[in-house]
Amino acid sequence: GAVVSQHPSRVICKSGTSVKIECRSLDFQATTMFWYRQFPKQSLMLMATSNEGSKATYEQGVEKDKFLINHASLTLSTLTVTSAHPEDSSFYICSASAGYSNQPQHFGDGTRLSIL
Amino acid sequence: ILNVEQSPQSLHVQEGDSTNFTCSFPSSNFYALHWYRWETAKSPEALFVMTLNGDEKKKGRISATLNTKEGYSYLYIKGSQPEDSATYLCACPDRGSTLGRLYFGRGTQLTVWP
Repeated sequence: GAVVSQHPSRVICKSGTSVKIECRSLDFQATTMFWYRQFPKQSLMLMATSNEGSKATYEQGVEKDKFLINHASLTLSTLTVTSAHPEDSSFYICSASAGYSNQPQHFGDGTRLSIL
Repeated sequence: ILNVEQSPQSLHVQEGDSTNFTCSFPSSNFYALHWYRWETAKSPEALFVMTLNGDEKKKGRISATLNTKEGYSYLYIKGSQPEDSATYLCACPDRGSTLGRLYFGRGTQLTVWP
């Protein structure tokens, strides 16, 4: 099956640091990648949708300047949490798809971000 | 934003028991329904994508049904095993979106005791 690799799996850093998370599709070309955030006991909340070579589409309430998304190739998307603060601590997970709603998404393992 | 709900929130069953849980979604403008299994320390794994009313899909001991008119899907596990322990997520795409955006329920956390 399709494999998506997400790194790092765990980050602990000081407040004010910027953190970059990578999401790679290893064996297929991902036209579209999605970034989700999960709060404790909540569902996966879509943050943004990125398409290769174009600007990401952010969901309502998600700060574009705080969560920078780059989708430079068909196999790599990155999420940068800029000047992270404790309230940004969360579980972030990416997925990749061929871009059609009737096709499954393929997920990375997620990143647990802890800001001290 | 689509309101996708799942019940129950958690479920504990004995090995060998059969079980089922529900995903509810808006029936208007339905396009597709996704089921995923998310085991601890692993990535969510796609189980089924269903699009047709009355559709039934099966994968080993797991099966799912879909009723788009009333807006629900059932996931069944026959003869539960400890390795079935996971969180089961359902999700629907926004039909107005061509990008495949999914809206997830909170999941049903299944624990199967040996």
